[in-house]
Amino acid sequence: QKEVEQDPGPLSVPEGAIVSLNCTYSNSAFQYFMWYRQYSRKGPELLMYTYSSGNKEDGRFTAQVDKSSKYISLFIRDSQPSDSATYLCAMKTSYDKVIFGPGTSLSVIP
Amino acid sequence: EADIYQTPRYLVIGTGKKITLECSQTMGHDKMYWYQQDPGMELHLIHYSYGVNSTEKGDLSSESTVSRIRTEHFPLTLESARPSHTSQYLCASTQGDTLHFGNGTRLTVT
Repeated sequence: QKEVEQDPGPLSVPEGAIVSLNCTYSNSAFQYFMWYRQYSRKGPELLMYTYSSGNKEDGRFTAQVDKSSKYISLFIRDSQPSDSATYLCAMKTSYDKVIFGPGTSLSVIP
Repeated sequence: EADIYQTPRYLVIGTGKKITLECSQTMGHDKMYWYQQDPGMELHLIHYSYGVNSTEKGDLSSESTVSRIRTEHFPLTLESARPSHTSQYLCASTQGDTLHFGNGTRLTVT
């Protein structure tokens, strides 16, 4: 079993839809959780970073962490064509290196 | 925005050639990393460095080598390229928990 599981998609939604992206993990020692966005032919860029259970909001993006279920989510409200990208969840323990999920490819159709 | 640069962006090379992928950052970060990324797959850590003259192999076995003679520079070398080395190589740096990525080098070995 991989440490971090993520549905690779592809996911296609109409503009304005609410998007839900999810990851599950098996290592209960993970304490830091991140979402990266990667556009085609670019490197990943940090979108959200959190280290506690609960919700963290930044504009149209909300990151949710449920440590008891080992489950994290990223919600995108009012999705835009510019949100079309691959979204990578990532996590780490306090002392170890970052582990990435395989990414979910998202297309927002105008 | 993070300043981390990778060159070349694209490289097509024949089997058996020696190549060096360049990575430089201007943020003074101590920690630097090389990841390998194939389509639809998670990022795999192949090398990392926590400072000058410090290098370690990552989780994914790789025939490449790295050096860290200066804080800002972390080149990756393949002594004899093979078609199995065809992939995208991403360089990253950090001073904390979150990674800053370059835009990658897409390597094709024919």
